[in-house]
Amino acid sequence: AQKITQTQPGMFVQEKEAVTLDCTYDTSDPSYGLFWYKQPSSGEMIFLIYQGSYDQQNATEGRYSLNFQKARKSANLVISASQLGDSAMYFCAMREASYFGNEKLTFGTGTRLTIIP
Amino acid sequence: DSGVTQTPKHLITATGQRVTLRCSPRSGDLSVYWYQQSLDQGLQFLIQYYNGEERAKGNILERFSAQQFPDLHSELNLSSLELGDSALYFCASSAVLTDTQYFGPGTRLTVL
Repeated sequence: AQKITQTQPGMFVQEKEAVTLDCTYDTSDPSYGLFWYKQPSSGEMIFLIYQGSYDQQNATEGRYSLNFQKARKSANLVISASQLGDSAMYFCAMREASYFGNEKLTFGTGTRLTIIP
Repeated sequence: DSGVTQTPKHLITATGQRVTLRCSPRSGDLSVYWYQQSLDQGLQFLIQYYNGEERAKGNILERFSAQQFPDLHSELNLSSLELGDSALYFCASSAVLTDTQYFGPGTRLTVL
């Protein structure tokens, strides 16, 4: 079974609008972390935001926020006031419980976001 | 800039050859991870080192090997290369095991 599911292969959004990128996950571990990374066309992977499974509040980092719904096992990324520079691939990733050797990230297939001027 | 450096940025080689990819983690980071990004497999974890010791293995082929040196830089060795090994190879590092992983710019390997 897929551990991380991103159901939107591509999205087109008007500049200055807010956008929500969907991510659902599957784990039986009570302790886990959820991450979002941005990959521009240049190829690098840029860390955006982190949410721990025990965090009581949704994570925010500038224009990025993570809509964490634990019961639904979803961790959607919200980008407010989108900009042309937000055009990129976005990956959701999960790190499960950190027992020995389990700190690896499992990635979803990504969503390609295109911001339209 | 994440602080993680990878060399070379691009590598073009022929089938059957051997290459070495190099990674320097962020200053102070003890854990190094290698990931492969290909069109058909997506982003996949290959191997992890922590303070010089191998800690976890993922979908890493037997033709691939890695090590982390005392100065904490890491090398990924790919041998008997095949066309299907063409991919973007990322190194990531974290300070402690549960910390955020910061990625290097990647090495784009093309096998002809």
